[in-house]
Amino acid sequence: DTGVSQNPRHKITKRGQNVTFRCDPISEHNRLYWYRQTLGQGPEFLTYFQNEAQLEKSRLLSDRFSAERPKGSFSTLEIQRTEQGDSAMYLCASSLGILGADTMNTEAFFGQGTRLTVV
Amino acid sequence: KQEVTQIPAALSVPEGENLVLNCSFTDSAIYNLQWFRQDPGKGLTSLLLIQSSQREQTSGRLNASLDKSSGRSTLYIAASQPGDSATYLCAPDPRGAAGNKLTFGGGTRVLVKP
Repeated sequence: DTGVSQNPRHKITKRGQNVTFRCDPISEHNRLYWYRQTLGQGPEFLTYFQNEAQLEKSRLLSDRFSAERPKGSFSTLEIQRTEQGDSAMYLCASSLGILGADTMNTEAFFGQGTRLTVV
Repeated sequence: KQEVTQIPAALSVPEGENLVLNCSFTDSAIYNLQWFRQDPGKGLTSLLLIQSSQREQTSGRLNASLDKSSGRSTLYIAASQPGDSATYLCAPDPRGAAGNKLTFGGGTRVLVKP
């Protein structure tokens, strides 16, 4: 079990550039999440996939943000035309969703995050 | 909308003392609640998950309690060690929402002095 893996760990980019982050979840997990964390705050939910379907997006996810999970395995998060306000830690998490109505969600596991700095 | 508050925001104790970290949440309709640890500049490490039907969960020196009706959870760390220094985050998992759409508190930053 290699855990949730995120790449790169750090990214420094100039304002206006596009960046892409990758997340590899725990292999048997069907659910994948992206969160954003700014300094001194708790993580905030951005979006969620069940297999390859993106089922929910936060209002925090502006039009410049797009996330994909093409084959239900790894996921990418792209930010276009980066702004200084995008500087944050981007965290990916995965879990094994138990299908069925009104069933319990299982434990979420997080990666080490990608620290984005926009200069 | 779920709101999570963690008190205190920061805590400094001498080694060996027991730690008590509090978490309160406004919406008691939850599947479970997770406690996480975060070291500076790192990701989150899951410590404990308490299902909504449970009142407490234990792992080694860690014990977490849950009072869903009053919207409270407490994390106890016995006999603290300098290696316990980190930020601790709680996150209830809302019933009815798809997946682990966790809502986090701001965390409690713990420093254990040798």
